[in-house]
Amino acid sequence: EVQLVESGGGLVQPGGSLRLSCAASGFTVSSNYMSWVRQAPGKGLEWVSVIYSGGSTYYADSVKGRFTISRHNSKNTLYLQMNSLRAEDTAVYYCASGREYSYGRGAYYYYGMDVWGQGTTVTVSS
Amino acid sequence: EIVLTQSPGTLSLSPGERATLSCRASQSVSSSYLAWYQQKPGQAPRLLIYGASSRATGIPDRFSGSGSGTDFTLTISRLEPEDFAVYYCQQYGSSHTFGGGTKVEIK
Repeated sequence: EVQLVESGGGLVQPGGSLRLSCAASGFTVSSNYMSWVRQAPGKGLEWVSVIYSGGSTYYADSVKGRFTISRHNSKNTLYLQMNSLRAEDTAVYYCASGREYSYGRGAYYYYGMDVWGQGTTVTVSS
Repeated sequence: EIVLTQSPGTLSLSPGERATLSCRASQSVSSSYLAWYQQKPGQAPRLLIYGASSRATGIPDRFSGSGSGTDFTLTISRLEPEDFAVYYCQQYGSSHTFGGGTKVEIK
């Protein structure tokens, strides 16, 4: 079964750090692009970060320089290291996966994110 | 950064009616990397449409996507009771961004 399971959320003080994990089963994280998406209470979806199969990473301006996305291929797990946390980082954090199709010669087609985890809650408060 | 503006914010319709949701981008979305997601309360989002007009696996054909460049539309031809939810567009061609969402509620 294709599945993503997040963990690592919790309560942290402003300025603190937290590392989220997203364990995948039924597919290989290093073959897909993997994203983190968050949703503050009562708000819409906010894209946070993405890592592509080739290793390129991108971040939303709101987290750039504070958050780091990575993956451990042998553990088939995605991570989000979150430092210098702020109250506005309080949200449910989802990991999600989208397929990549290689045309060859470095050209790719990207599908939408069709596998999502159940989310893990991060609360930043003193 | 590409900004996505969804309209209307809320759509009040009855089951069986047609729903038309709009998503406008601040600049052209490359390769039509525009997706639509459905989210119900307490659940993760579900992919409906990718590449602006391709239905994801298992999505009923009452859902259709169209558009290119900066203007995109999600159409639900006949609303079923389970379609009342919040819908988000997302561009994933240049970094990634989501629109603010459209809530489709029962009239």
